[in-house]
Amino acid sequence: NAGVTQTPKFQVLKTGQSMTLQCAQDMNHNSMYWYRQDPGMGLRLIYYSASEGTTDKGEVPNGYNVSRLNKREFSLRLESAAPSQTSVYFCASSEASNIQYFGAGTRLSVL
Amino acid sequence: AQRVTQPEKLLSVFKGAPVELKCNYSYSGSPELFWYVQYSRQRLQLLLRHISRESIKGFTADLNKGETSFHLKKPFAQEEDSAMYYCALSGRGNTGKLIFGQGTTLQVKP
Repeated sequence: NAGVTQTPKFQVLKTGQSMTLQCAQDMNHNSMYWYRQDPGMGLRLIYYSASEGTTDKGEVPNGYNVSRLNKREFSLRLESAAPSQTSVYFCASSEASNIQYFGAGTRLSVL
Repeated sequence: AQRVTQPEKLLSVFKGAPVELKCNYSYSGSPELFWYVQYSRQRLQLLLRHISRESIKGFTADLNKGETSFHLKKPFAQEEDSAMYYCALSGRGNTGKLIFGQGTTLQVKP
């Protein structure tokens, strides 16, 4: 039982490049989330999806787009990466209990 | 505004000493509070939630609505408790979104 799987684990980009972070969960959860983790800032919500076919902005959505491809998958896209987007990105999913289950994270560096 | 504050970035204690990681929140309704933990090289995971009122790995946390606090306590720290701890808040009917505090690194020295 994999839980929440994120790919890639590490990525280095140049400013202006684009990339998509992938996330998949096998727990049949309705809700999925993308966070970024920065030192001294905790985890901040970028986007979330309460159910298949819906997405909503979180606290820090600028510079990002998301796609809820189906119930299992929720991807995060950086269209034109900036150094300020250097961070560790976490995907999570949850069901009605509000307990969130997290992926292992993607460490992204933008040069 | 909804906010979670963890005032300590780093808490360093000796093995066997009591531990209290502070968490204060701001929320106008009835929140649900959580503590999540991230051990070295592991993913973030739930430690405990206030509605369960249980003790996990010797840790307890009581919701104090008067002081708007949800401090995490353990009477005798162990070296394996060293980790990053996040307090988080979810509003009722809030689609499960969590608001996290800044995190506190607990370092338990031998």
